[in-house]
Amino acid sequence: QLQLQESGPGLVKPSETLSLNCTVSGGSSSSSSYYWGWIRQPPGKGLEWIGSIYYDGSTYYNPSLRSRVTISVDTSKNQFSLRLYSVTAADTAVYHCARQTYGNYHNWFDPWGQGTLVTVSS
Amino acid sequence: EIVMTQSPATLSVSPGERATLSCRASQSVRSNLAWYQQKPGQAPRLLIYGASTRATGIPARFSGSGSGTEFTLTISSLQSEDFAVYYCQQYNNWPPITFGQGTRLEIK
Repeated sequence: QLQLQESGPGLVKPSETLSLNCTVSGGSSSSSSYYWGWIRQPPGKGLEWIGSIYYDGSTYYNPSLRSRVTISVDTSKNQFSLRLYSVTAADTAVYHCARQTYGNYHNWFDPWGQGTLVTVSS
Repeated sequence: EIVMTQSPATLSVSPGERATLSCRASQSVRSNLAWYQQKPGQAPRLLIYGASTRATGIPARFSGSGSGTEFTLTISSLQSEDFAVYYCQQYNNWPPITFGQGTRLEIK
């Protein structure tokens, strides 16, 4: 059964870069059947899609974050990564990684990682 | 961007009763809609995709309906483990993928 696990610093200073990894186990990040996505959830609030990546490196970003986001995939490590630049307190959230089904009109997320809380504070 | 609006924000229902949650899209998403359940401290869990298809392992008391701009998630007989927050998500037109703001289902 596929599992996803986020990892990275839990505290980032304002104006710095948030960097997270998601390790895929029980499956392959090089599968052509899926995208790999990042979704965040500010404390007590709803879900916001950040972006997704395909195994070939094709990326899709939320326009609201596009200028500050890079998502990459390392199929040799079975990992994909998120970098969010110039963070502010508004970027404080639980960050989830998730597998996203590939194909026209099949783009739901299943499963999700447990999530990791990243706090932006000096 | 397609805006997803869920109602009500909070729904109070007694165990054993039926719960009906609504999700509206700002423009047609056809049947390209998913529902998720999230319990405190846990990751969201996929319940429904394609507006009405239950995901693997999801009990039959969960059902989804609707198309276009109006969607409903129905839980036919609430169990204690069903009290959670529910989100809808459209994937008809992306990026961006968008979620509703959630409906909290609480015990009455």
